Amino acid sequence: ETGVTQTPRHLVMGMTNKKSLKCEQHLGHNAMYWYKQSAKKPLELMFVYSLEERVENNSVPSRFSPECPNSSHLFLHLHTLQPEDSALYLCASSQDQGSGAEAFFGQGTRLTVV
Amino acid sequence: AQSVTQLDSHVSVSEGTPVLLRCNYSSSYSPSLFWYVQHPNKGLQLLLKYTSAATLVKGINGFEAEFKKSETSFHLTKPSAHMSDAAEYFCVVSDLWDSGGYQKVTFGIGTKLQVIP
Repeated sequence: ETGVTQTPRHLVMGMTNKKSLKCEQHLGHNAMYWYKQSAKKPLELMFVYSLEERVENNSVPSRFSPECPNSSHLFLHLHTLQPEDSALYLCASSQDQGSGAEAFFGQGTRLTVV
Repeated sequence: AQSVTQLDSHVSVSEGTPVLLRCNYSSSYSPSLFWYVQHPNKGLQLLLKYTSAATLVKGINGFEAEFKKSETSFHLTKPSAHMSDAAEYFCVVSDLWDSGGYQKVTFGIGTKLQVIP
């Protein structure tokens, strides 16, 4: 295991639902990330947190709301999603925000919006 | 601006034959370059990295890559493919840190490697 755990692994939700994705890292890292992986597109960075403070918000729609209560946990709260939001959502962590290219990834949450 | 191009979306090799996955990059500065692997239903795992030291970089599982500045390339190779190498491989470039100290990273679109028995 990589030390980054994501739950749930699979999620199907309706467009009016509210759900949350959870990520936990056991590596003692100070930076955590949310990425979106869609078919035939490069990995898209959504959010970066460093020491529980958001340092990057990559023009992500407000229907995605991140939360980082401490340096080991990261959440992605979802509400009123669209079908095009269906994708694999990956959480990652790195030693610090300056080493984001050397990240440890979780296995991802496969999200389907119906 | 930084960008990365993976020249093949799919590569198919026979078990025991060499692997070549191609990556070209564009960078305004001296880039750091990385290869990641993603096995089915798994997250991404760092294979190897180049950060301005030796141009030939060795990674895990017998993979290596050579940084060629004149060709702006960072191709991934392995002398002999194993069935367990079947996965998707991502080339990554980074040459920027924003004002907040966050390292900007650009991923390639990925190359799926199929290994035929």
